[in-house]
Amino acid sequence: DADVTQTPRNRITKTGKRIMLECSQTKGHDRMYWYRQDPGLGLQLIYYSFDVKDINKGEISDGYSVSRQAQAKFSLSLESAIPNQTALYFCATSDPRGEQYFGPGTRLTVT
Amino acid sequence: DQQVKQNSPSLSVQEGRISILNCDYTNSMFDYFLWYKKYPAEGPTFLISISSIKDKNEDGRFTVFLNKSAKHLSLHIVPSQPGDSAVYFCAASAQGGSEKLVFGKGTKLTVNP
Repeated sequence: DADVTQTPRNRITKTGKRIMLECSQTKGHDRMYWYRQDPGLGLQLIYYSFDVKDINKGEISDGYSVSRQAQAKFSLSLESAIPNQTALYFCATSDPRGEQYFGPGTRLTVT
Repeated sequence: DQQVKQNSPSLSVQEGRISILNCDYTNSMFDYFLWYKKYPAEGPTFLISISSIKDKNEDGRFTVFLNKSAKHLSLHIVPSQPGDSAVYFCAASAQGGSEKLVFGKGTKLTVNP
């Protein structure tokens, strides 16, 4: 079984809709992250959490929110989706040493 | 302001030859560096790392070199194989890796048979 799972894997939604992307991990790590990948822009950090009670904004948090429901679960919400949020979204988890383990990604299309 | 830069968006090499991927960083607080490999439709996977107390780390066909004075690191793949074709991301962190990672934009490597 995969260490980091993401649901859904693909999603098409309309402008203005609220959408939630979910992430679960079985690594037992405290740290979790949400990234966005756009072509040619690499991985941009949206939000991260170093433990259940800790939430931090990343480079591009505007238009997004997160919830850390448990050590193993970290969800990302788009309150009102817009077309320029069309991208690949990755969840990751890490131990304090820093090596991150990524999920398979969610391809989100906002029309 | 990009703290981690991969100036070559793409690289093409012949099978069996050496692939050299480069990465530059600007933040002198970075002391832990990682390379990730990403295939299409998959998440990035960890490849190799290096701490700033070293200048070289090897793992099989993969070697990472760190030049702290130049704020430059490179990943060498020898010999290159078609299965190495992927996007490679350089990442850096401060405080021995305990701070969040900062990623470069990636270099797409194509190894031709």
